[in-house]
Amino acid sequence: EAEVAQSPRYKITEKSQAVAFWCDPISGHATLYWYRQILGQGPELLVQFQDESVVDDSQLPKDRFSAERLKGVDSTLKIQPAELGDSAMYLCASRLQGTHPNTEAFFGQGTRLTVV
Amino acid sequence: AQSVTQPDIHITVSEGASLELRCNYSYGATPYLFWYVQSPGQGLQLLLKYFSGDTLVQGIKGFEAEFKRSQSSFNLRKPSVHWSDAAEYFCAVGINQAGTALIFGKGTTLSVSS
Repeated sequence: EAEVAQSPRYKITEKSQAVAFWCDPISGHATLYWYRQILGQGPELLVQFQDESVVDDSQLPKDRFSAERLKGVDSTLKIQPAELGDSAMYLCASRLQGTHPNTEAFFGQGTRLTVV
Repeated sequence: AQSVTQPDIHITVSEGASLELRCNYSYGATPYLFWYVQSPGQGLQLLLKYFSGDTLVQGIKGFEAEFKRSQSSFNLRKPSVHWSDAAEYFCAVGINQAGTALIFGKGTTLSVSS
C-alpha cells in the first residue's frame, strides 16, 4: 500500500544547530503539506505545496524555517537555527488533488524533533 | 476565523460501552469535516469525512459521526468500544479554497478500561 515516507523518525539536535526533515509523498500526489504538532496539541499547518509551488506558508516562521519541493515530488523542511520551542512532531501529508477537500490527505508517521 | 473545538481533553470509557466525542466548529460557509485518529508515535489516519448529503456518515472501524448545522457540531460515536480504540482523536475542518488545508482541534485522548 502506498504511503507517505518521512525521515528521520526521530531527531535530537542542540539549539542553534540546523536540522532538516525529508518527505516523499505518495506517487502522483500534487499537493503536499507540512504540519507541526506540539505535544498535546492538534497539528498546525506550516506550509502547503501544489506541485513545486508554495500555496500557503503564512504560518511558517520564515526567519528560521524554510521548505522546498524543487521537482514537485519530495520535499525538505529545514530549521536553522533550531530553538527549544521547536521540539514537536513534524508531519508530512499529501493529497491527490489540491482544489477540493473531497480527496483524502494521507499522513506520514512524522519526525519527532527534540531540541536540547 | 475558522476554528475547531474539542471540549473534552481526556475521556475514559469501559470496554464494550458506547462512545461519543464532541467537536464544534466555527466556519462561515458549509464546512468539510473530518475525524482522524492517531496512535502514539504515529501519523494520522482518517476515520470519516463529511462534505454534503446525509448528515450521518459512516467510517472505518465502526465509527460514525453526525453533522448538525444548527449546533455547529460533528460528534463522533461508536456503539461499543474496543481496547484497541485507545488513541487520540482529532476533529478537523477543511477550508474550501485552492490548496485546501485542514484546521485541527486540540484532540481528545481516549482511554479504554477493562
